[in-house]
Amino acid sequence: IAGITQAPTSQILAAGRRMTLRCTQDMRHNAMYWYRQDLGLGLRLIHYSNTAGTTGKGEVPDGYSVSRANTDDFPLTLASAVPSQTSVYFCASSEGNTGELFFGEGSRLTVL
Amino acid sequence: GQNIDQPTEMTATEGAIVQINCTYQTSGFNGLFWYQQHAGEAPTFLSYNVLDGLEEKGRFSSFLSRSKGYSYLLLKELQMKDSASYLCASMDSNYQLIWGAGTKLIIKP
Repeated sequence: IAGITQAPTSQILAAGRRMTLRCTQDMRHNAMYWYRQDLGLGLRLIHYSNTAGTTGKGEVPDGYSVSRANTDDFPLTLASAVPSQTSVYFCASSEGNTGELFFGEGSRLTVL
Repeated sequence: GQNIDQPTEMTATEGAIVQINCTYQTSGFNGLFWYQQHAGEAPTFLSYNVLDGLEEKGRFSSFLSRSKGYSYLLLKELQMKDSASYLCASMDSNYQLIWGAGTKLIIKP
């Protein structure tokens, strides 16, 4: 059982470049989330989707966009990366609003 | 504003008991969650409290007092594999999780 798969696991890119982090789940969960995790801070919600076809903004959405064309996939795009977007990004899913989230292994992104 | 406070780091001895405290202040409340995160890995769900009192799950227990905005995670019979960060999160009125920065637990032999 794969659960949630994120790709890439690690990436270094130049400032100004466009980058898409991929996230796929096989649990048929309705809700999906993108978080960033920075040292000394709690997980911060970037964007979320309660069901396929809908998305919403989280706490720190600026500079990021998402789409939810189907239940399984929830890609996160950085249109023009900046160094402050250097972080570890976690994709997660849940069955409804239970609060029991299943996380992917994370994508470590470095913007130079 | 919304805020979750928990200690940055704690140290305990293998075989002992440790209590990790968390205070929360969120817009509305729909439950208190604890997650475990080993270094370099993803967080994994540990426990959930929505009513006052103690929930026990094996060596781990979690307590909630809604009137005090307070929770703790109790770990018994500590093992070296319990060395990890423990994340406290409160679910607000929009059913979004508000996360603390995590408590890094160091277990010494």
